[in-house]
This record gives sequence, structure tokens and C-alpha cells, in this order.
Amino acid sequence: EVQLVQSGAEVKKPGESLKISCKGFGYSFSSYWIGWVRQLPGKGLEWMGIIYPDDSDTRYSPSFQGQVTISADKSISTADLQWSSLKASDTAMYYCARREVADYWGQGTLVTVSS
Amino acid sequence: DIQMTQSPSTLSASVGDRVTITCRASQSISRWLAWYQQKPGKAPKLLIYMASSLESGVPSRFSGSGSGTEFTLTISSLQPDDFATYYCQQYDSYMYTFGQGTKLEIK
Repeated sequence: EVQLVQSGAEVKKPGESLKISCKGFGYSFSSYWIGWVRQLPGKGLEWMGIIYPDDSDTRYSPSFQGQVTISADKSISTADLQWSSLKASDTAMYYCARREVADYWGQGTLVTVSS
Repeated sequence: DIQMTQSPSTLSASVGDRVTITCRASQSISRWLAWYQQKPGKAPKLLIYMASSLESGVPSRFSGSGSGTEFTLTISSLQPDDFATYYCQQYDSYMYTFGQGTKLEIK
């Protein structure tokens, strides 16, 4: 069974760094793009970027270019989303999803940034 | 970026109704369009891809149509489980974008 399992909820202060993860099970992780999607509280879905784990080819949506870093380690079937300096406006639910047509989704990681 | 605009933003309907949601792209995306359903507190669920292909396991009351810049999602006979928020998404380029969502409410 295909599953994407995300790391747990995080509470951070502004200016702190953070890395959240998404681990794939039940399929060839290297062979499928993994995307990240942001959902601000009470708002819609925003596509952040996508990575191909086999060669780490990464594409960012313009709104997120330079704001986050997406990486992957195919040896442990894991994709990561990281921030070097969080802002309160990064408070959101973050989902990983398999493929550009997101056929499987992680359960979401809630990131709360508050002083 | 390709902008996706859904209408309406909110739709009130009753069980058994036929409903249609529209999604318009700011430029042609051929048939590179997907539809998702999201319920509160849950991850989205893929319903339709390539504008009209039904994802495995999705009830046949859901259907999609369109190409180019205009697309529709139709639910032929609303069931209680269908009240949720629906999003379209274009995947014509790597700058994938979602519509703003349509909340389907019980009338």
C-alpha cells in the first residue's frame, strides 16, 4: 500500500530554522516526483515546489523560491522541506504529495510559528 | 504563472441535486487539469485527472470535462458525503497552481 508519512507538528519561534519530512512507503520512491503544498489557516491550497528524488531535480513556485528549500534522500525514501528563518506568516499546514497529479498525500504537518 | 479561477466560491445544494463547478485557466493548459476534494482536517483527495479521467475508487457520479481554458466538475446526484471543498489544479507547467476552492454546502 502506498503511503506518505509526514513528521509531527512543530511549534517554533520566529527566526528559528526547521526541517519537516515526508517518508514514502509501498512504492519506488525514487521514481515519482514529490511535491509540497501549503495551506494557510482557513485558506486554500498553494503549490510550493516539487522534487524528483532520483536526481534531486527541484522546481519551485515563484512565490516560494528562496523562501524554502526542498530536498530528498532516495536512500531513505524521504523528502524534506526546510526553512532557515521562520516567520509568523509560515504558520500553516504543510502536505507532501506524490506526483504533479497528487494521487497520494501525506497526513500533513502543522507548523506554528509564534513568539 | 497560470492563474486558475473557480466559480462559484460557495455553492449551496441538497442531497440528490446535480451540481457543476467551473474552473478557468488564464491560458491554455490543454487537458492538464485535476480536481480534488478536501474535507475539514483532512488531506485533499484526487478525484479527476487529465480533465476527465476518473481516479480509481472514485464514484461514477463525479465527472469532469473541458479543455484549453475552461473546465467543469459535475456531481450528478449529491450524496451526504460530497459536502466538502473542491479544488482544481493545473499541471501544464512546473508552476502548478490551484484554484481558490469551491465550498459545497448543504442547503
